Amino acid sequence: DAGVTQSPTHLIKTRGQQVTLRCSPKSGHDTVSWYQQALGQGPQFIFQYYEEEERQRGNFPDRFSGHQFPNYSSELNVNALLLGDSALYLCASSSGRIETQYFGPGTRLLVL
Amino acid sequence: DQQVKQNSPSLSVQEGRISILNCDYTNSMFDYFLWYKKYPAEGPTFLISISSIKDKNEDGRFTVFLNKSAKHLSLHIVPSQPGDSAVYFCAATSEGYGNKLVFGAGTILRVKS
Repeated sequence: DAGVTQSPTHLIKTRGQQVTLRCSPKSGHDTVSWYQQALGQGPQFIFQYYEEEERQRGNFPDRFSGHQFPNYSSELNVNALLLGDSALYLCASSSGRIETQYFGPGTRLLVL
Repeated sequence: DQQVKQNSPSLSVQEGRISILNCDYTNSMFDYFLWYKKYPAEGPTFLISISSIKDKNEDGRFTVFLNKSAKHLSLHIVPSQPGDSAVYFCAATSEGYGNKLVFGAGTILRVKS
């Protein structure tokens, strides 16, 4: 079992561009959550997807959107990138109890 | 508004000694607390949790204590081992909060051999 995988591992974009990050959940998991971890801070909840719908959302602007596919994989899209969007983006999958939440290694995004 | 605070950015402990990591929260809605460990280039991994109906939970070398009146929890690692060196995150949630995890900023633990 490969666990949670994320792609790409690193990404460099410029202000105003758009980016798509991808996540494949751990086998057997049907819920995917996305977090943003800025330097020196803890992960901050962006949103959660279950049954292809956004179930919960954190305090992030509409520039952040997502999608979940029938195979439970997920994408995070960020439009009109700002310098402050530079961060590690973590994907976590789970099934049922929150302790079952497994995190991927993250995608490090740098916005120049 | 930081609802979960880890006020110690780093902690250094000798191998074999006890490590104590602290966490404070402000939101009274939180009723479930978790600790995660994170190594470089890896995602956080779940370590131990505690419900607000308990004041202590133990799992091997790891014990979490919860003081609801003080809105404070702590993670004890005994004995500390060099492999415990990592970033430790405290997180809080509740059903009323939609089971969203709210993380603290983390504490870097270094265990010296």
